[in-house]
Amino acid sequence: DARVTQTPRHKVTEMGQEVTMRCQPILGHNTVFWYRQTMMQGLELLAYFRNRAPLDDSGMPKDRFSAEMPDATLATLKIQPSEPRDSAVYFCASGRSTHSYEQYFGPGTRLTVT
Amino acid sequence: KQEVTQIPAALSVPEGENLVLNCSFTDSAIYNLQWFRQDPGKGLTSLLLIQSSQREQTSGRLNASLDKSSGRSTLYIAASQPGDSATYLCAVGDTGFQKLVFGTGTRLLVSP
Repeated sequence: DARVTQTPRHKVTEMGQEVTMRCQPILGHNTVFWYRQTMMQGLELLAYFRNRAPLDDSGMPKDRFSAEMPDATLATLKIQPSEPRDSAVYFCASGRSTHSYEQYFGPGTRLTVT
Repeated sequence: KQEVTQIPAALSVPEGENLVLNCSFTDSAIYNLQWFRQDPGKGLTSLLLIQSSQREQTSGRLNASLDKSSGRSTLYIAASQPGDSATYLCAVGDTGFQKLVFGTGTRLLVSP
């Protein structure tokens, strides 16, 4: 049963610290998305990769957020420095651009910045 | 800019009832529409995907319809069960990068 995996599942950190979240997409999927979910904003797209190339990161605060795909099995989302307003659940999703574009979501990383 | 609205925001029904969840979107130039289920503290589970050229999709007790011209989709749940209790999210895939724009969800409670 292929699944998207995310680590860590929970992260509590102090304001100003660096946070790195990792995602392993489903094997064979060539698109990766990062979403953020908050009570106020709901689910919003942060970044999108196709074949490891970033195609859209317009939803991401550029001054503190960065997203990369060092290889086809790993996507990372980094926040430096973190702020309390970054507290949210961060989801990674993957899919295949040559198929139906259906997206499969990971379990999320719940981030709390104090 | 695409906006997705879901009505109602919350719904409480007794077990066994058939129910309809509504989703509307402002830009009809979509690639697909996906319905998800989210349990408290959990990730999203894909329920149904409708391509823009399709009118409906069915999976078990679930049926999703799409009327692209009017910017509407409905999720029909037949013979609801307490295990159906969750938040249901509608998401529209755009024609460019196929990124999803999500609605705010409908929180469903099915009582035994």
